[in-house]
Amino acid sequence: EAAVTQSPRNKVTVTGGNVTLSCRQTNSHNYMYWYRQDTGHGLRLIHYSYGAGNLQIGDVPDGYKATRTTQEDFFLLLELASPSQTSLYFCASSEQGAYAEQFFGPGTRLTVL
Amino acid sequence: QEKVQQSPESLIVPEGAMVSLNCSFSDSASQSIWWYQQHPGKGPKALISIFSNGNKKEGRLTVYLNRASLHVSLHIKDSQPSDSAVYLCAVSPASSSFSKLVFGQGTSLSVVP
Repeated sequence: EAAVTQSPRNKVTVTGGNVTLSCRQTNSHNYMYWYRQDTGHGLRLIHYSYGAGNLQIGDVPDGYKATRTTQEDFFLLLELASPSQTSLYFCASSEQGAYAEQFFGPGTRLTVL
Repeated sequence: QEKVQQSPESLIVPEGAMVSLNCSFSDSASQSIWWYQQHPGKGPKALISIFSNGNKKEGRLTVYLNRASLHVSLHIKDSQPSDSAVYLCAVSPASSSFSKLVFGQGTSLSVVP
């Protein structure tokens, strides 16, 4: 079965701190995604990538950077964390194509104090 | 920007009941509609998808899509306590060339023994 892992699973930082969230997929998928999930908003797309070195902007990109170093690894960077970025973050991967299923990781809960 | 709304927000049913979940979307040309299931502390997992008008049945699940009324519903027959989870409706916009998904805010289902 498709496998997407995330680390850390929980993270607490302070306002202005630097945070890096990591995601690895072993599905050989081209596409990878970062979402945030907040009560009342569902899942919202932050950034996505269709291969190593590629980065595309999602629907809520402000305050976030991302980098895709290999086909397997996708990172989300918060360089000056703010309390509004307290959320549950999910990574996902999929094959190419508009009808492809997305496979999700277990999530990282981030708290910015 | 595609908009997805789900109802009800939450639902409590007795074991064995038929469950009906609703989702409305804004673009009749949306390419695909997915239902994801999310258990507490886990990432979403795809349950069933539909691309064409009509219905699709898989085991205890049936999904109905009516593009003219911009509505899709998920029905779970003979519900079990293990079906207790958040159900997310996700729509792939017509303009997307990849598996972009816009999610609704979710319906929380509790099946009580």
